Amino acid sequence: DAKTTQPNSMESNEEEPVHLPCNHSTISGTDYIHWYRQLPSQGPEYVIHGLTSNVNNRMASLAIAEDRKSSTLILHRATLRDAAVYYCIRIGGTSYGKLTFGQGTILTVHP
Amino acid sequence: DAGITQSPRYKITETGRQVTLMCHQTWSHSYMFWYRQDLGHGLRLIYYSAAADITDKGEVPDGYVVSRSKTENFPLTLESATRSQTSVYFCASSESSWEQYFGPGTRLTVT
Repeated sequence: DAKTTQPNSMESNEEEPVHLPCNHSTISGTDYIHWYRQLPSQGPEYVIHGLTSNVNNRMASLAIAEDRKSSTLILHRATLRDAAVYYCIRIGGTSYGKLTFGQGTILTVHP
Repeated sequence: DAGITQSPRYKITETGRQVTLMCHQTWSHSYMFWYRQDLGHGLRLIYYSAAADITDKGEVPDGYVVSRSKTENFPLTLESATRSQTSVYFCASSESSWEQYFGPGTRLTVT
């Protein structure tokens, strides 16, 4: 099963860090973890991806567990514009046949 | 303008009619994708293409036809629309297995 498991929803206050978890217990050694987010009435937007080690970019950080069965997307200082649905997905090599976004986590950011 | 565009943005059609949704990208990305998004199902991959004249099925291909004669275009055709195909359709492109860029979506209603 190529699916991942995420909480349905999370809440945060503005300016505070947010940790969005994702479980992918059946991940294979060559699967990458990608995070996308979808703002209301828009198409999804790439956030970050990684394989084994932690990754940082201008939008977020990605912490991947040593056994790779889980990962956490970290937004260091949430803003109101970060309110979105966040999707954690597995991508194996160049095969997109089983790519599944799942339900995602609805993040609410309070002023 | 550079980017990925979809047309039409909104479409209402009747059951049994043929409908074609257009997707155009200006980056010359090799990969292109079609997803549908329904309440309660997240995004599901319909078809994807790794290059011109190369297409493959995703998770929910039944009832859809794609073609890719040019790198920049990836039309999606519903040969005989059904009510169950009422959905929001997103097109995306990518140069590799990584970051996908999504279009603004087409909201299709089949009556």
